[in-house]
Amino acid sequence: GQNIDQPTEMTATEGAIVQINCTYQTSGFNGLFWYQQHAGEAPTFLSYNVLDGLEEKGRFSSFLSRSKGYSYLLLKELQMKDSASYLCAVMDSNYQLIWGAGTKLIIKP
Amino acid sequence: GAVVSQHPSWVICKSGTSVKIECRSLDFQATTMFWYRQFPKQSLMLMATSNEGSKATYEQGVEKDKFLINHASLTLSTLTVTSAHPEDSSFYICSARVPGMNTEAFFGQGTRLTVV
Repeated sequence: GQNIDQPTEMTATEGAIVQINCTYQTSGFNGLFWYQQHAGEAPTFLSYNVLDGLEEKGRFSSFLSRSKGYSYLLLKELQMKDSASYLCAVMDSNYQLIWGAGTKLIIKP
Repeated sequence: GAVVSQHPSWVICKSGTSVKIECRSLDFQATTMFWYRQFPKQSLMLMATSNEGSKATYEQGVEKDKFLINHASLTLSTLTVTSAHPEDSSFYICSARVPGMNTEAFFGQGTRLTVV
């Protein structure tokens, strides 16, 4: 079966750095996405990785290792507004998105 | 990025009534749209894939007679929750991808349905 694992919840301090991991097992791979979702709102796109390596976009970076079935989202200089759920999703061989359960990130002052 | 608009943002209905949720792609033509349901503190669950001009493809366990999907045009898909019950109360979200682009899905704002 297809499976995506990410931690349920993480806590970090304002101004610090946090890394949210995601491991996956899917039938085929056509890219991995990270989304941010605030409570009661729809997800918003953060990043897309299809090749191995690190993609940096401002305070957020995303890393992919296809051989390990592993990705992480790195958030730097954390702000209170970064408190949200972060969803990892993999596009399988049928171009369908398989979603992880999401990681709730709590930022403390 | 592309814009997907979903309406209404929230709705409260009585048990046994039907509710229609609209999903529109505003600046691109979406031959395929996706309907998700999300219960509190849970991940997105794909309910069905809506295909313009043809029948929707439902995921296992989703009742097609209860969740009616119509994709009559390239910019509009609707989800109708028929004979709603309190257990149907959830956050419903639609999304679409720009045709031919193997990239991110764009989401509507979501609809919070409460059945009383």
